[in-house]
Amino acid sequence: GENVEQHPSTLSVQEGDSAVIKCTYSDSASNYFPWYKQELGKRPQLIIDIRSNVGEKKDQRIAVTLNKTAKHFSLHITETQPEDSAVYFCAASKVTGGGNKLTFGTGTQLKVEL
Amino acid sequence: KAGVTQTPRYLIKTRGQQVTLSCSPISGHRSVSWYQQTPGQGLQFLFEYFSETQRNKGNFPGRFSGRQFSNSRSEMNVSTLELGDSALYLCASSLTSGGPLEQFFGPGTRLTVL
Repeated sequence: GENVEQHPSTLSVQEGDSAVIKCTYSDSASNYFPWYKQELGKRPQLIIDIRSNVGEKKDQRIAVTLNKTAKHFSLHITETQPEDSAVYFCAASKVTGGGNKLTFGTGTQLKVEL
Repeated sequence: KAGVTQTPRYLIKTRGQQVTLSCSPISGHRSVSWYQQTPGQGLQFLFEYFSETQRNKGNFPGRFSGRQFSNSRSEMNVSTLELGDSALYLCASSLTSGGPLEQFFGPGTRLTVL
């Protein structure tokens, strides 16, 4: 089955700096890669996603890049703010007519310091 | 539009008991997935239901089961509870595999097994 590795497990940056979180996946048939943000005590919320037919996607301060050949994808957050502090999860899925089963990475605790 | 709801929010059980958790998806969503979240294992996929049929299943023992009703509400059941079943159980709903892929998470049910 699919296996997703995520690094680093913790990341501390100064406010205004950029943060990068990296994930690798094992199943070359995976074609959907979402990123979720989970604040303490809250539910995971989708912040950005990318499909395998796209190499990069941006949404304001957040961007995701995908390298299908190397089977890795990354989350980039620019101009970090204290409210970006949370746990971030990457995930991979092989979306077919048979469903969408997400395999998650182990999470990155991001701390944005003032 | 109301979000995904889960009941109960907190549950305390003892070893050997069984438990049933409930999930109501966003109106119009037909797919419901269940995940177990623990500090050690992260987010792990349990199963997915679509149109009252289990469409995908994760690597959990048969003590974990689920079902979906005609109104798309879903329940999961854990029998013969073990201490290791203590976790946050999250459900997520999505439209169908042919449309937007985003899975919207509920607030979770925090299960404690004593």
